[in-house]
Amino acid sequence: GDSVTQMEGPVTLSEEAFLTINCTYTATGYPSLFWYVQYPGEGLQLLLKATKADDKGSNKGFEATYRKETTSFHLEKGSVQVSDSAVYFCALSTQTGNTGKLIFGQGTTLQVKP
Amino acid sequence: NAGVTQTPKFQVLKTGQSMTLQCAQDMNHNSMYWYRQDPGMGLRLIYYSASEGTTDKGEVPNGYNVSRLNKREFSLRLESAAPSQTSVYFCASKRAGNTEAFFGQGTRLTVV
Repeated sequence: GDSVTQMEGPVTLSEEAFLTINCTYTATGYPSLFWYVQYPGEGLQLLLKATKADDKGSNKGFEATYRKETTSFHLEKGSVQVSDSAVYFCALSTQTGNTGKLIFGQGTTLQVKP
Repeated sequence: NAGVTQTPKFQVLKTGQSMTLQCAQDMNHNSMYWYRQDPGMGLRLIYYSASEGTTDKGEVPNGYNVSRLNKREFSLRLESAAPSQTSVYFCASKRAGNTEAFFGQGTRLTVV
C-alpha cells in the first residue's frame, strides 16, 4: 500500500545551520506531496506542497522538490531559526474515485538552539 | 475564519466510559478525517468520510465509530474507552482531489 518514510529524529541544529529532512514515499498513481509543521500544542499546518513531478514547493524559506525518479520529497532550509523548532510531517495524497486519502510519515522533531 | 473546530480540547475518561469527539468545518469541504497521533507513530487514520452520507475505515478503526451528521460535522465516538486509546485526536477536512487538508487543534484524551 501507499506509505511515507521520514528520517528519524530528533534533529538538533544550531541557529543558521542548514537543514535537510529526508522523505521518501511509495504510491501507485500520481500522488500530491506535502510537508506539514506542528508547533507545540497546536494542530498541523501546511508548510508547502507539490502536485506533480519536478515541482518545487516553497514557503518561509523552506523548499522541497518532487522527485519521481527517486520517489523523494526532501525538506530543506538554508538557515534555520529558533522559531523553526517544531515537528515536521511529510505526507502524500492519493485519489481513488471520490476518495482522497492523506498518508503521513512518522514525523521528525527539529530543535534549533541559539 | 474558524476553519476546523474540535471539541473538547482535553478530556480524561475512566476505562469503560464512552464519549463523542465533535468536529465541524466551515469551508464547505466534502471530505473529513479522524486521525490519532501517538509518539513515534505519526498520524494514523481512524475513519474518513469522502462525502456526506459515507464513512469508511482507515488504518486503526477498532474501538471507534463515526457519524457524518451533515456536510459540516463529523463525530468520533468511543463506546467503551480503553487505556490504549489515550492519544491526541485530530480532525481534518479537504476538498476533493489531491489537495491539502486543514486540521483542527486536536483533542488530548487520557483514559485511566
